[in-house]
Amino acid sequence: DQQVKQNSPSLSVQEGRISILNCDYTNSMFDYFLWYKKYPAEGPTFLISISSIKDKNEDGRFTVFLNKSAKHLSLHIVPSQPGDSAVYFCAGKKKSSGDKLTFGTGTRLAVRP
Amino acid sequence: DGGITQSPKYLFRKEGQNVTLSCEQNLNHDAMYWYRQDPGQGLRLIYYSQIVNDFQKGDIAEGYSVSREKKESFPLTVTSAQKNPTAFYLCASSTMSSGANVLTFGAGSRLTVL
Repeated sequence: DQQVKQNSPSLSVQEGRISILNCDYTNSMFDYFLWYKKYPAEGPTFLISISSIKDKNEDGRFTVFLNKSAKHLSLHIVPSQPGDSAVYFCAGKKKSSGDKLTFGTGTRLAVRP
Repeated sequence: DGGITQSPKYLFRKEGQNVTLSCEQNLNHDAMYWYRQDPGQGLRLIYYSQIVNDFQKGDIAEGYSVSREKKESFPLTVTSAQKNPTAFYLCASSTMSSGANVLTFGAGSRLTVL
């Protein structure tokens, strides 16, 4: 049962343009959503999060949007830079299960110079 | 610098052998986790521990064992009962704070069964 889904395994974007990474979830009990970025052979690093009571959170070039009715969130990166090329994981956290995160399958972003 | 150290980075194992992956953190975090990454499957939770001398099974605990004798250490043993152990293993830790916990990950250990 894949509770967090990232249906696009890869995305290619021109440098300077906007990157939009999508994530869908099925579990209404998630109270926080987080995005992690991962380079090959390294551990993921935290990027940005959003509470389920909000619909937008912004941090510099990164903005996450949450549409609860559609059970959908998206990460916008603008402008995209070659250093943003990595795998991005979406994750959900349920209040009832402590700090455990449920991760999606990831989207590989390639930013072309 | 505070962080999580995983060792070894690469490990080869023959079928039927148990192996132990080390995870040490100096962040003073209460909770520690083990995840497994396989191509196309994201990160799946193996075991987690919220306090010393206590741990719980995650979604794919079969064939694995852990211990949490010290706050700083959370080793993972991949036993011969694990049917498909070749994978990238990630250890993480977090503070047990309210709100969005932020996991801090180690650099990972790649296990290959020959």
